[in-house]
Amino acid sequence: AQSVAQPEDQVNVAEGNPLTVKCTYSVSGNPYLFWYVQYPNRGLQFLLKYITGDNLVKGSYGFEAEFNKSQTSFHLKKPSALVSDSALYFCAVRPRGSSASKIIFGSGTRLSIRP
Amino acid sequence: GAVVSQHPSRVICKSGTSVKIECRSLDFQATTMFWYRQFPKQSLMLMATSNEGSKATYEQGVEKDKFLINHASLTLSTLTVTSAHPEDSSFYICSARDRGLVFSEQFFGPGTRLTVL
Repeated sequence: AQSVAQPEDQVNVAEGNPLTVKCTYSVSGNPYLFWYVQYPNRGLQFLLKYITGDNLVKGSYGFEAEFNKSQTSFHLKKPSALVSDSALYFCAVRPRGSSASKIIFGSGTRLSIRP
Repeated sequence: GAVVSQHPSRVICKSGTSVKIECRSLDFQATTMFWYRQFPKQSLMLMATSNEGSKATYEQGVEKDKFLINHASLTLSTLTVTSAHPEDSSFYICSARDRGLVFSEQFFGPGTRLTVL
């Protein structure tokens, strides 16, 4: 079965420190990869996506993600965390091959940045 | 980026009543829209895929007669929760994919918090 794993329910980081939110996937082929962020009582906001090309993808708010094909991972990173980055982060994948294919979400990781 | 709106943002209703939630793509056309349900501190659960001009495709375990979906135009999909009960209380989120972009990500609405008393 196709799946997306976010092994950490919560990540705690001090402001100014680098952060990493992990994501691995089990999807056949080379899926499209996404990261979304959700603030309380809000919908999801798109952060970045990997389609093809450079393995390091840069996105909104200073976030970036590194695609690793051999490890089937797409970890989200930021060099220096801000308190305002505290939110719920979702990794997602969409299989290639069909425009109708559905996006598969990970379980989410709550990121908490302490001042 | 593309904008998806939802209305209402919050609704409280009595048990047994029906509630309609609208999802609109404001600056793009979406042949496909998706309806999700999210419980507190959990991930999104896909309920159904809404296709413009045709019947929605429901996920396993989702009652199509209870959650009516209509996708009448390329910019509007509606979800009607019929005869709502307290267990239907949840956060409902829609999303849409821009039909003009092959590699389009899904754009999400801000969500609708439904509380059934």
